[in-house]
Amino acid sequence: SQQGEEDPQALSIQEGENATMNCSYKTSINNLQWYRQNSGRGLVHLILIRSNEREKHSGRLRVTLDTSKKSSSLLITASRAADTASYFCATGKGNTPLVFGKGTRLSVIA
Amino acid sequence: EAGVTQFPSHSVIEKGQTVTLRCDPISGHDNLYWYRRVMGKEIKFLLHFVKESKQDESGMPNNRFLAERTGGTYSTLKVQPAELEDSGVYFCASSRTANRASEKLFFGSGTQLSVL
Repeated sequence: SQQGEEDPQALSIQEGENATMNCSYKTSINNLQWYRQNSGRGLVHLILIRSNEREKHSGRLRVTLDTSKKSSSLLITASRAADTASYFCATGKGNTPLVFGKGTRLSVIA
Repeated sequence: EAGVTQFPSHSVIEKGQTVTLRCDPISGHDNLYWYRRVMGKEIKFLLHFVKESKQDESGMPNNRFLAERTGGTYSTLKVQPAELEDSGVYFCASSRTANRASEKLFFGSGTQLSVL
């Protein structure tokens, strides 16, 4: 069954605003990763958060993980037009392959 | 360092034809994965190679799909005969170590396959 599921499916904001995307999953995990995909390109790894971590930062990115609710959020602060892309969460556990969701399409309008 | 490369970037074929996709992983990466994204749906795992061996092929849809990785370098994914539902973007990814749960993946740009 599908593991990660992102919400919302699409998000449109003005440049300079913050963007928040959520990911919910169904089973226990070892870690959760976020990837970005620009149109016509491959996925690029953004950040990994382990199951024993609650929050992680990388530049303008902030990721939180709530294992009790089986959910994660990705916050992009001070968004730029270049942040326009699809964002995917992926869950990892043991030796099973990373499981991706459907993604959130983010549009940042200049 | 060269990234993961995939060829072709686009392929349009008719139902019943054969198509072969190729992936060149990052040099030194023993792990190679194939994923597929059908429009509007999630990115689904197809299979995983460790060097030339198939570690996990639980995501392969059916026996019309054949993946190989001769010599543990590049990989090919052949669809024969192609059906309409095979349309989608096929991604290849590689990673250095075998612990998938903690390893970030490096993706190619994908092959957009359209079966008419």
